[in-house]
Amino acid sequence: GAGVSQSPRYKVAKRGQDVALRCDPISGHVSLFWYQQALGQGPEFLTYFQNEAQLDKSGLPSDRFFAERPEGSVSTLKIQRTQQEDSAVYLCASSPTLSGPYNEQFFGPGTRLTVL
Amino acid sequence: AQRVTQPEKLLSVFKGAPVELKCNYSYSGSPELFWYVQYSRQRLQLLLRHISRESIKGFTADLNKGETSFHLKKPFAQEEDSAMYYCALSAYNTDKLIFGTGTRLQVFP
Repeated sequence: GAGVSQSPRYKVAKRGQDVALRCDPISGHVSLFWYQQALGQGPEFLTYFQNEAQLDKSGLPSDRFFAERPEGSVSTLKIQRTQQEDSAVYLCASSPTLSGPYNEQFFGPGTRLTVL
Repeated sequence: AQRVTQPEKLLSVFKGAPVELKCNYSYSGSPELFWYVQYSRQRLQLLLRHISRESIKGFTADLNKGETSFHLKKPFAQEEDSAMYYCALSAYNTDKLIFGTGTRLQVFP
């Protein structure tokens, strides 16, 4: 495909609603990352998959956040019972392999979540 | 703790002037350092990585382990360099990136 795609691009939710954010990585990319970017801040790591295995979820801020990548391709980030502090841009990135210092992550356009 | 600090939120220069975007990091081991850039209405993309010792679009960055810095430099700024620049670190044997808060570079004609 043309690159990493994310949907929806914009999401407005009422406090307490559940939301699901989708990421389509570049075809064949093994690694997939989710980041959260609050206004005026840099992206902050949430979680990481290698194929379907979630190898690191240390950045998920609470148990309301859940991510999956069941077939090693598309990933979904789910936020339950959204709170106002969840308002942010959620970025997805993919990379071909675990490549260490030559790592290049390819980012999607992000989903801007606003919780009212 | 691993941390990346970009002390300047905004850096404004005129076209043709030299540019230095500062980045300091905190990490006890051997870090892998990157600069990512986001142009207006575009997605975040890799600009350069320290391991490659490359010059991209005239930008260079040298890893100084003594000063724990990875400043981004360009001798003559161009208007098209105006963008948001993020310094990022990944710890050894992990690919997750730790980003700084970013510096907005404005290059005036």
